[in-house]
Amino acid sequence: GDSVTQMEGPVTLSEEAFLTINCTYTATGYPSLFWYVQYPGEGLQLLLKATKADDKGSNKGFEATYRKETTSFHLEKGSVQVSDSAVYFCALSDVSSYKLIFGSGTRLLVRP
Amino acid sequence: NAGVMQNPRHLVRRRGQEARLRCSPMKGHSHVYWYRQLPEEGLKFMVYLQKENIIDESGMPKERFSAEFPKEGPSILRIQQVVRGDSAAYFCASSPPSENTEAFFGQGTRLTVV
Repeated sequence: GDSVTQMEGPVTLSEEAFLTINCTYTATGYPSLFWYVQYPGEGLQLLLKATKADDKGSNKGFEATYRKETTSFHLEKGSVQVSDSAVYFCALSDVSSYKLIFGSGTRLLVRP
Repeated sequence: NAGVMQNPRHLVRRRGQEARLRCSPMKGHSHVYWYRQLPEEGLKFMVYLQKENIIDESGMPKERFSAEFPKEGPSILRIQQVVRGDSAAYFCASSPPSENTEAFFGQGTRLTVV
């Protein structure tokens, strides 16, 4: 079945460092891809999404490109801030499905 | 417009008791989804409901678990005779009655079975 694999955390960075969180997926069709973020004590929020190959999702300085050839959707940010400390979830959904399939989450800790 | 409201935020139950988790969707949202997150794992789909109807319960354990979304009031996820393995975070999400729209998540209920 469809699945999502993302790098294990925690990822610890200094402020203004470059961030990459890897995400790869397995799907039989052409899924939509998502990054969700969960700040401490809060629910999941949609960070960005891409619905077809080569699309780039972006929000709040974060970016991810839908790479069909490598079945990847890596999350990047050029300069992280302490306020970016959170757990990041990669997810996919089939085009005709309401179900989200999540990766296990990657905790990011940004130190001042 | 308030977000998706889940309560309680934390719930402790002894083995064999019942757990009731509530979810009030965002205003105007008639679709509700429940997900479970076991420790160190991602969220797993459990059930999808519309008002008074269960659309897809393929992720629900066959026994002890049930869900409803009545015409009036919140959606309820009910776990009977809880066991230690039910300890997890349970997240509810809601979306409006349109295709391909974003689902908004609640803060979750953390169930601990002692």
